[in-house]
Amino acid sequence: EPEVTQTPSHQVTQMGQEVILRCVPISNHLYFYWYRQILGQKVEFLVSFYNNEISEKSEIFDDQFSVERPDGSNFTLKIRSTKLEDSAMYFCASTGTTYGYTFGSGTRLTVV
Amino acid sequence: QQQVKQSPQSLIVQKGGISIINCAYENTAFDYFPWYQQFPGKGPALLIAIRPDVSEKKEGRFTISFNKSAKQFSLHIMDSQPGDSATYFCAASTQAGTALIFGKGTTLSVSS
Repeated sequence: EPEVTQTPSHQVTQMGQEVILRCVPISNHLYFYWYRQILGQKVEFLVSFYNNEISEKSEIFDDQFSVERPDGSNFTLKIRSTKLEDSAMYFCASTGTTYGYTFGSGTRLTVV
Repeated sequence: QQQVKQSPQSLIVQKGGISIINCAYENTAFDYFPWYQQFPGKGPALLIAIRPDVSEKKEGRFTISFNKSAKQFSLHIMDSQPGDSATYFCAASTQAGTALIFGKGTTLSVSS
């Protein structure tokens, strides 16, 4: 079964540093998403990306965040200057033209 | 209005029993209601989903009941097994390609 692949599985970074989280969505999917989950809390929507531009974003997705699809397969989330409160699991997801969201296994980001 | 309210927060069920998790929503534009299962350290995995044109959907031991007038939907797990012990999230979205709004999750423990 097709998978959404995320790398790295765990990233530790110092406060103020930039991080890039990487995702390879399912190849024939058209919509790409980033969600985050702070430990023990619900999954929160960050941003959706379609046709090479942001289609929707939440209040969480401020100027510190950016997304990019640098080539035909990768989808990245960049956090420019990490804060302690950015520590969370970050999930990439993708969908085709139907509702079937497929999530990756996530990247655990720890900001120290 | 974008919230999805989920209850209970945690649930303990004996092996073979029925697990019931409830969700309520306000936004009448929601038209896709999935349930996700999440194991520790993993991403959410789609369990079962329903559209509002049906009142019930069953897949194996998992059933969604949907009450459009009450704006509520629930997950029933029949013959609950220890392997069902996980966190369950309800979610909703307005159309394909838009953000999934998640409930806060229910931690299910099935005792043997």
